[in-house]
Amino acid sequence: DTAVSQTPKYLVTQMGNDKSIKCEQNLGHDTMYWYKQDSKKFLKIMFSYNNKELIINETVPNRFSPKSPDKAHLNLHINSLELGDSAVYFCASSQVAVNTEAFFGQGTRLTVV
Amino acid sequence: GENVEQHPSTLSVQEGDSAVIKCTYSDSASNYFPWYKQELGKGPQLIIDIRSNVGEKKDQRIAVTLNKTAKHFSLHITETQPEDSAVYFCAASRSGGSYIPTFGRGTSLIVHP
Repeated sequence: DTAVSQTPKYLVTQMGNDKSIKCEQNLGHDTMYWYKQDSKKFLKIMFSYNNKELIINETVPNRFSPKSPDKAHLNLHINSLELGDSAVYFCASSQVAVNTEAFFGQGTRLTVV
Repeated sequence: GENVEQHPSTLSVQEGDSAVIKCTYSDSASNYFPWYKQELGKGPQLIIDIRSNVGEKKDQRIAVTLNKTAKHFSLHITETQPEDSAVYFCAASRSGGSYIPTFGRGTSLIVHP
């Protein structure tokens, strides 16, 4: 069983569209994250969410919003897509309560044309 | 907040040589230091980690050292093989539900056969 799964793996869309990326973890972790990886491989944290608190990186445009229907899911919604949003987006989870490693999904390569 | 610096950004070695990647961190409260390996087209995956109560940890060909006083930690890979070629990330985190692990900017390791 895949620990952290995200869909789709590839997403090509036009500027101005709204899209969502789904993420699910079956590890029972208390915290989930979204990271953006640019062409230089830098992992930029976008959001951190557990059942108590949502932490937003203040540099993330408000066109991006996380939605968590339950502890095992954290979906990423993006409105009015721009060319600069093209990147690989990774979902991850960890058990922050005991400070363990993060488990990453396979990534979603988003291309905005 | 925490700041993690990682060097070098690119490391090219011959098969069989050793490779060393170094990271420094700024928050003395950080107490968990994982290392991740990211292969092409995949998400980062934990390869080794160390906690602040330990100075060194080894797992076969990889080892990690931690100097809390100097706030730096290093990844050592011995007898490198072509399959070690990947991007490696260091990270630092501390306990607490609202604390987000901070990643270094990554090191692209190339092992030439």
